[in-house]
Amino acid sequence: GEDVEQSLFLSVREGDSSVINCTYTDSSSTYLYWYKQEPGAGLQLLTYIFSNMDMKQDQRLTVLLNKKDKHLSLRIADTQTGDSAIYFCAESDNTDKLIFGTGTRLQVFP
Amino acid sequence: DVKVTQSSRYLVKRTGEKVFLECVQDMDHENMFWYRQDPGLGLRLIYFSYDVKMKEKGDIPEGYSVSREKKERFSLILESASTNQTSMYLCASSPPKKGYTFGSGTRLTVV
Repeated sequence: GEDVEQSLFLSVREGDSSVINCTYTDSSSTYLYWYKQEPGAGLQLLTYIFSNMDMKQDQRLTVLLNKKDKHLSLRIADTQTGDSAIYFCAESDNTDKLIFGTGTRLQVFP
Repeated sequence: DVKVTQSSRYLVKRTGEKVFLECVQDMDHENMFWYRQDPGLGLRLIYFSYDVKMKEKGDIPEGYSVSREKKERFSLILESASTNQTSMYLCASSPPKKGYTFGSGTRLTVV
């Protein structure tokens, strides 16, 4: 079945760039998503990329998609303490369900 | 602003109780989903629904049931709560082929 994998933790210094990586297995995925979860809250959609795109930029966020390697990354420029959260990668399967990774906990230190 | 509302943020129930978790969305979305979130396990799909009165089992439906009598409301039912159902429960909705909008979550503790 489909699977989405992420590393569990990432720690960066404030002002640096953060890169969160994700690999997925379903080559038929139409959209790939990044969600952010702050402590005690639900998930908030950050950005998404259509599978025929290589890159999408949205202010401080850059999403890169390598479809050949089934690798997705989220780069956060000028990382701030408010970016500390859990980040989930998700792919759509051939239905309307999303398959989520286990999440990467980003910790930003001063 | 579009919303998915879960009726309780925190809930404490006793073992064996029947528990109802309510979720309401105001976006006229066809699809609704219930997940549970546990440390180290990510989000696991319990049940989902693509239409009124329609329901499908997700990956971990045992011990749960759902009800969707109206398009905007999707209820998760724990028939007889057990301590291993202590978790964060997340409801989400979506239109077809689009990403989800999540509620704020309900942290359920079964004692």
